[in-house]
Amino acid sequence: GAVVSQHPSWVICKSGTSVKIECRSLDFQATTMFWYRQFPKQSLMLMATSNEGSKATYEQGVEKDKFLINHASLTLSTLTVTSAHPEDSSFYICSARATATDTQYFGPGTRLTVL
Amino acid sequence: KQEVTQIPAALSVPEGENLVLNCSFTDSAIYNLQWFRQDPGKGLTSLLLIQSSQREQTSGRLNASLDKSSGRSTLYIAASQPGDSATYLCAVKGVGDYKLSFGAGTTVTVRA
Repeated sequence: GAVVSQHPSWVICKSGTSVKIECRSLDFQATTMFWYRQFPKQSLMLMATSNEGSKATYEQGVEKDKFLINHASLTLSTLTVTSAHPEDSSFYICSARATATDTQYFGPGTRLTVL
Repeated sequence: KQEVTQIPAALSVPEGENLVLNCSFTDSAIYNLQWFRQDPGKGLTSLLLIQSSQREQTSGRLNASLDKSSGRSTLYIAASQPGDSATYLCAVKGVGDYKLSFGAGTTVTVRA
């Protein structure tokens, strides 16, 4: 089946630093990828839609200068949390939409802890 | 805006009992509805996907029904096992939209 990977699986960083999270579709092409954020015991909240070769579309209330998204190829999207603060600590999950089947496949998530 | 609600938020049952998880959504103009399982600290595993034209889908001990007109879906898990303990999320995809709208999930504990 289709596999989506995320790297790193967890990261701890100091306040003020930037962190990059990668999302890769391993065996299919994805023109569209999605980035979600999940707080403990809460559901997934869509942050942005990442489109290959174009600018990401951000959901209302999500700062595009804070959460930089790049989708440079059909198999890779990156989310960079800039100048991270403790309130950015969360579980970040990406999904990739398989163009051929119009099905979303989810990555295993990245746990970000900002000290 | 689509709102997805899952009731109950948490459920604890003894092993062997059947589980019934509910999901409701406010906008009935959906493309499909999907049930996911999430283990603590992990990503999502897709369990069942029901197209808007379908009434139910089955996979092993899992059965999901969809009543689009009333905005409801129910996930049934027969003869629950401790390994079924997890959080179950439902997500709705709108017509002409790539986005999924998620419920907050039902956390299930099956006691041995």
